[in-house]
Amino acid sequence: AQTVTQSQPEMSVQEAETVTLSCTYDTSESNYYLFWYKQPPSRQMILVIRQEAYKQQNATENRFSVNFQKAAKSFSLKISDSQLGDTAMYFCAFARGGGADGLTFGKGTHLIIQP
Amino acid sequence: SQTIHQWPATLVQPVGSPLSLECTVEGTSNPNLYWYRQAAGRGLQLLFYSVGIGQISSEVPQNLSASRPQDRQFILSSKKLLLSDSGFYLCAWSVYGGSNQPQHFGDGTRLSIL
Repeated sequence: AQTVTQSQPEMSVQEAETVTLSCTYDTSESNYYLFWYKQPPSRQMILVIRQEAYKQQNATENRFSVNFQKAAKSFSLKISDSQLGDTAMYFCAFARGGGADGLTFGKGTHLIIQP
Repeated sequence: SQTIHQWPATLVQPVGSPLSLECTVEGTSNPNLYWYRQAAGRGLQLLFYSVGIGQISSEVPQNLSASRPQDRQFILSSKKLLLSDSGFYLCAWSVYGGSNQPQHFGDGTRLSIL
């Protein structure tokens, strides 16, 4: 079984700053995928970014990028030029490759962007 | 485009009453379907997943059951609710074929047990 750990329950930064959310995972799988999801106060789960474990290149989506360190089993999310609309819960999630058996989520980080 | 509908949005039920939450997906065929529960202040826990009609896999032993009577319909049920069943329930779908596909979530059902 795999586990996902997010060690920062809450973070607060000023608007326009850059913030990094941490995520570590533990697995014996060699083929897997990692995701960051955002859950704003509306509670809708929104996919932010996805990383394939077999790819060395870090994924990037506009202001969002990841630092994927496979050997260290670390998958952090960097948000550049943070905006008020980035205020949300952020969840790191793991999916085993080759299966359809769902996501394993961390407990989340509550990110607050201050004006 | 694909859409996922989940209802009801909010539900208040007494202990011991039955439960039925429904989720439907439009715009795709043979999706993988999932039910998750999110307890207050916590992450999501996978409850059930399905890769086809009548095929249900359970991740957590509990008071709940799931069914998939049609290709794009996924139902979460209980015969007798417990206080511990309170939480936020999310349905999700992904393209059939594997875990590399992102999951797309419904708006969720907030279930309160009295």
